[in-house]
Amino acid sequence: DAGVIQSPRHEVTEMGQEVTLRCKPISGHNSLFWYRQTMMRGLELLIYFNNNVPIDDSGMPEDRFSAKMPNASFSTLKIQPSEPRDSAVYFCASSNALNQPQHFGDGTRLSIL
Amino acid sequence: AQSVTQPDIHITVSEGASLELRCNYSYGATPYLFWYVQSPGQGLQLLLKYFSGDTLVQGIKGFEAEFKRSQSSFNLRKPSVHWSDAAEYFCASGAGSYQLTFGKGTKLSVIP
Repeated sequence: DAGVIQSPRHEVTEMGQEVTLRCKPISGHNSLFWYRQTMMRGLELLIYFNNNVPIDDSGMPEDRFSAKMPNASFSTLKIQPSEPRDSAVYFCASSNALNQPQHFGDGTRLSIL
Repeated sequence: AQSVTQPDIHITVSEGASLELRCNYSYGATPYLFWYVQSPGQGLQLLLKYFSGDTLVQGIKGFEAEFKRSQSSFNLRKPSVHWSDAAEYFCASGAGSYQLTFGKGTKLSVIP
């Protein structure tokens, strides 16, 4: 079975540009999570969706960040405008039931110059 | 609120030696507990999980973990470490929701 698929794997862009990260969850999973990982702050939950509906976005840093899940097989995380402090590895994960393990993608390494 | 503590930021062991990584959780009831491993440049991979029943859980790659309610612990163990086990290890707990609470991770280095 295919796991969680994220694209791109690497993104380098200049400050002020719009960045869009993409995620395809495992088929049949009804929960999707976006995380950010940095050396300083570790793994942070940004937002999670259940049945395509955002349930908790309290981890989204500020209005420059937005996330959507238009259908069960696709989600995006957008940063506009991007800033150097947004540089991190962004992970998407999915799960199929309450208290079940989350399955992670390989992440997008984002560098904002 | 739940919390997960991994007291050791970095551990170094010799290849072939035994390993124990510590994890403590705080939650009133029995949580659901997980261990993940992250190799450089990779996502988190599930090693094992505990939901209920037998408190000694077997996972992939020869790892096991023991749930001890009295100590609020879920320590990860391996009898003989291989160089390929060098990675970062995360303990996580969940309780009644889709969200997991992650520890800050323990980085494992293996000396040949």
